[in-house]
Amino acid sequence: NAGVTQTPKFQVLKTGQSMTLQCAQDMNHEYMSWYRQDPGMGLRLIHYSVGAGITDQGEVPNGYNVSRSTTEDFPLRLLSAAPSQTSVYFCASSLQGLNTEAFFGQGTRLTVV
Amino acid sequence: AQSVTQLDSHVSVSEGTPVLLRCNYSSSYSPSLFWYVQHPNKGLQLLLKYTSAATLVKGINGFEAEFKKSETSFHLTKPSAHMSDAAEYFCVVSGRPGGGADGLTFGKGTHLIIQP
Repeated sequence: NAGVTQTPKFQVLKTGQSMTLQCAQDMNHEYMSWYRQDPGMGLRLIHYSVGAGITDQGEVPNGYNVSRSTTEDFPLRLLSAAPSQTSVYFCASSLQGLNTEAFFGQGTRLTVV
Repeated sequence: AQSVTQLDSHVSVSEGTPVLLRCNYSSSYSPSLFWYVQHPNKGLQLLLKYTSAATLVKGINGFEAEFKKSETSFHLTKPSAHMSDAAEYFCVVSGRPGGGADGLTFGKGTHLIIQP
């Protein structure tokens, strides 16, 4: 099993550009989340999903959109990139709920110039 | 709501000596607690978890943690540090049962340095 797979691993964007960070899991988990990691801040929840067709906002949702058309995929879209969105992004999935053990992808390091 | 405080942003130990990474939490519920490790340029890996069973929890790579409700602590220990333990460690507390935006709350991390 691959677990949680994120693509790309690295990305550089210009301010104002849009892009989609991909996340796929093969564990048939209902719960999926996107976090951003900034130095000295730990991980902060951007958006989450409790199943196909159901998404909601986390702690820092502004500037990001998500959708969940299948159980496996949970893409994160940056609508108009800003330098404040320079960060490392992690996708996670969990079996029994958002507040249970999470399995993380390898991360996407995004730089907005 | 819940919160977690990792008391040290950096910890430096010599190889072969004990490791202690400190974590205090607060929660309105009976929380689950986790320690995750992140090696450089890698994702997060679960080290161990407490889910209201035994208060002393053993994890991978020789790590263990003790849940102390009276002290609201969940410190991570290892008897003998190895060079491969050098990484960032995150203490994590669960949120309100049923999840939602309370899902998991992460500490800010402790950077563990192992001196040869």
